[in-house]
Amino acid sequence: EVQLVQSGAEVKKPGESLKISCKGSGYSFTNYWIGWVRQMPGKGLEWMGIIYPSDSDTIYSPSFQGQFTISADKSISTAYLQWRSLKASDTAMYYCAKHGISRAPFDAFDIWGQGTMVTVSS
Amino acid sequence: DIVMTQSPDSLAVSLGERATINCKSSQSVLYSSNNKNYLAWYQQKPGQPPKLLIYWASPRESGVPDRFSGSGSGTDFTLTISSLQAEDVAVYYCQQYYTTPYTFGQGTKLEIK
Repeated sequence: EVQLVQSGAEVKKPGESLKISCKGSGYSFTNYWIGWVRQMPGKGLEWMGIIYPSDSDTIYSPSFQGQFTISADKSISTAYLQWRSLKASDTAMYYCAKHGISRAPFDAFDIWGQGTMVTVSS
Repeated sequence: DIVMTQSPDSLAVSLGERATINCKSSQSVLYSSNNKNYLAWYQQKPGQPPKLLIYWASPRESGVPDRFSGSGSGTDFTLTISSLQAEDVAVYYCQQYYTTPYTFGQGTKLEIK
């Protein structure tokens, strides 16, 4: 079964750092672009960026540029989303999702992780 | 960025009736070299991650009931549920993957009348 399993919910203070994870299984992790989507409480979906685990080629949304880092460790089939200094406005559910077609950067997300809720509050 | 605008924002339909959701992109998402529309539809039920329903504007993802259908080309697209079932209550999103950032529509909340 193809699945993406994300790390658990986090509660952090403003200014703290955080790295959340997304582990893929049941498919060739290195050959499919994997991305991150933000959903703020009660709001819609926002595309943050994607990474190709084979060579770590990464594309960020200009709306989010510089606010976080997307990375991947292909040796353990895991993608990451990392912040150096969280803000209250980073409070949201974060989903990872993979593309449906091997090697294709232009594609829809066919499999989604269960989501990681990040709460940033003093 | 390509702006995706869905209409309506919310919709109430009786069980067994047709539900239609529209999605308009600010520029064409049709790639002329392969004649494919880079447009997907997702369903998100409360407390769940989104689920892919439709890709390339019209083919259904494996396992998606055939009451769901996608149509349209260029800048105007439609998701149709031919006979609404109770389990179809959800928020529906369109997404373009023609050019990064792969933007989503604002969502359409579908309820039972």
